[in-house]
Amino acid sequence: KAGVTQTPRYLIKTRGQQVTLSCSPISGHRSVSWYQQTPGQGLQFLFEYFSETQRNKGNFPGRFSGRQFSNSRSEMNVSTLELGDSALYLCASSLDGQETQYFGPGTRLLVL
Amino acid sequence: DQQVKQNSPSLSVQEGRISILNCDYTNSMFDYFLWYKKYPAEGPTFLISISSIKDKNEDGRFTVFLNKSAKHLSLHIVPSQPGDSAVYFCAAEAGGTSYGKLTFGQGTILTVHP
Repeated sequence: KAGVTQTPRYLIKTRGQQVTLSCSPISGHRSVSWYQQTPGQGLQFLFEYFSETQRNKGNFPGRFSGRQFSNSRSEMNVSTLELGDSALYLCASSLDGQETQYFGPGTRLLVL
Repeated sequence: DQQVKQNSPSLSVQEGRISILNCDYTNSMFDYFLWYKKYPAEGPTFLISISSIKDKNEDGRFTVFLNKSAKHLSLHIVPSQPGDSAVYFCAAEAGGTSYGKLTFGQGTILTVHP
């Protein structure tokens, strides 16, 4: 079974721009969670989607948003990028009702 | 408010010996705990987990112990191998409506010397 895939793997943007990141979960997994990893804050939960609905949201500003499609693929969007948004963005998928999450390789975003 | 803490930023162990990584938590609502291994610029890889109804779970060289009264869990790796060198994160999930949210510790860098 293929693992979680994320595209693109690397991205460079400038302040004020917006960015969209994509995540394809493991086949059969309908829950997708997103995390941000930075050296200062560690791994922090952004939001979780299941059946195209956001069920949970972390403590991030409204510039961070996401969506999920009917095939369980998910995207996250960050608008009006700030330097502090430079991070590794990770998505993880799981079977509904199962706590174990399986992570993708991440997208490294650099904001200049 | 750091609800999951890994107080040792790093650990150095000789090959063949035991590695013990520790994790403390404060939120009594956490009922499921996981350990992940991570290399730089890669996603975390799931290692082993434990439910709060158990106090021990074993998978090959990896054993996780949970002490609910102390709000403490530990990961034992026996025997340690150089390929185990990585950053180890413990994570916790609360039940109920905390869908898909894992709360992570800051990580412990494990170095296994040949």
